[in-house]
Amino acid sequence: EVQLLESGGGLVQPGGSLRLSCAASGFNFGRYAMAWVRQAPGKGLEWVSTVTYLSNTYHADFVRGRFTISRDDSTNTLWLQMSSLRADDTALYYCAKDAGGTPELPTRHFDHWGQGTLVTVSS
Amino acid sequence: DIQMTQSPSTLSASVGDRVTVTCRVSQSIRTWLAWYQQKPGKAPNLLISEASTLESGVPSRFSGSGSGTEFTLTISNLQPEDSATYYCHQYQSYWTFGQGTKVEIK
Repeated sequence: EVQLLESGGGLVQPGGSLRLSCAASGFNFGRYAMAWVRQAPGKGLEWVSTVTYLSNTYHADFVRGRFTISRDDSTNTLWLQMSSLRADDTALYYCAKDAGGTPELPTRHFDHWGQGTLVTVSS
Repeated sequence: DIQMTQSPSTLSASVGDRVTVTCRVSQSIRTWLAWYQQKPGKAPNLLISEASTLESGVPSRFSGSGSGTEFTLTISNLQPEDSATYYCHQYQSYWTFGQGTKVEIK
C-alpha cells in the first residue's frame, strides 16, 4: 500500500523559511516522479513543484527562486525547502506521487496523495 | 501557461440524477487530463486519468470523456456519498488544476 506522510509544517513569520518532508513507502520510490501540491484554506488545488525520477525539477512561477524540491532515493524522502515565505503561501501542502516513471512518460498525473502538512505564514 | 475553466462552480442534484461537470482548456492537451474527488478534510482521490480511464476501485457510475480542449466528468445515478468537490487536472504541459466543482445533494 502506497503511503505518503508529510511533516515539517507550522507557523512561520513572513520572510522566514521552512522545510517540508514527505516519507514515502509501499512503492519503488526511486522510479517515480514526486510533487508538492498546495491548497489554501477554502480554495482549490495548486501545483507547486515536481521532481522527476532523474531529479529534474520544475517549479510553479509563483515559487520559483523561493522554493526548492529535492529527493533522497536512499531514504525514500521528498523535501520542499521554502524560503522568503509570504502570507499567500499559507496552505495545506500535499505530497503526491506521480504516475509517470518511464523515459517515454517521466511525468503524468498524481495517483496517490498524502494527508498534507499545514503551513501558516503570519506575524 | 495552460488555463483551465471548470463549470459549474456548484451544482445541486438529487439522488439518482445524472450530473455533468465540464472542463475547458486554453490549448489542446490531447487526452492528458485527470479528474479528482475531494471530500472535506481529506486529500484528493484520483477518479479518472487519460480523460476516460477509470481508476481501479472507482464506481462505474463515474465516467470521463473528451479530448483536445473540452472534457466532461459524468456521474450517473448520483449517490449521497458523491457529495464532494471535483477537480480537473491537465498534465500535458506542467500541471494545472481547474477551480473545482462542488456537488451537493438536494
